[in-house]
Amino acid sequence: EVQLVESGGGLVQPGGSLRLSCAASGFTFSSYSMNWVRQAPGRGLEWVSYINSLSSNIHYADSVKGRFTISRDNAKNSLYLQMNSLRDEDTAVYYCARRTGGADDYWGQGTLVTVSS
Amino acid sequence: EIVLTQSPATLSLSPGERATLSCRASQSISSYLAWYQQKPGQAPRLLIYDASNRATGIPARFSGSGSGTDFTLTISSLEPEDFAVYYCQQRSNWPLTFGQGTRLEIK
Repeated sequence: EVQLVESGGGLVQPGGSLRLSCAASGFTFSSYSMNWVRQAPGRGLEWVSYINSLSSNIHYADSVKGRFTISRDNAKNSLYLQMNSLRDEDTAVYYCARRTGGADDYWGQGTLVTVSS
Repeated sequence: EIVLTQSPATLSLSPGERATLSCRASQSISSYLAWYQQKPGQAPRLLIYDASNRATGIPARFSGSGSGTDFTLTISSLEPEDFAVYYCQQRSNWPLTFGQGTRLEIK
């Protein structure tokens, strides 16, 4: 069974940092691209970042470029999102999702990041 | 950035009725469109990829169509569990973008 479990969310002050993790199981993690997608409270879905299986192709949304860094450790079956210089508008539930061909076919349950003083 | 515009924002229907949801892209995206369903407190669930291909385990009452800039998600006969928010997503160009969502509510 494919499972994605996010962790690392919490309350952080504006300007602070947080590192999210996504533990993958039930599939060959090293063969798949991955996405981070977020959802602000009561709002729609917003794509954040993408990484391919070998970490050779990475993309970011303009809203996080220069502040967030996506990475992965295929030996540990884990995906990460390092978030620096956090802003109020980064408050959201952050999902990791497995990318298969044309879409995100499996999603984690999400981890809540709250940026507030 | 490719903008996806979903309509209507809210659709009120009864179980057993047919639902038609629209997603329009600001430029051609070929068939590079996916549809997701999200229920309150849950992660999104993939329904359709590449405009018309049902994802694994998705009931046949869900179908997708379209290409270029105009796409449709059709639910042929609504079941109680289908009332949720639906999002489209394009993968033609970076950044990946989602539509703002259509809320399907019980009439």
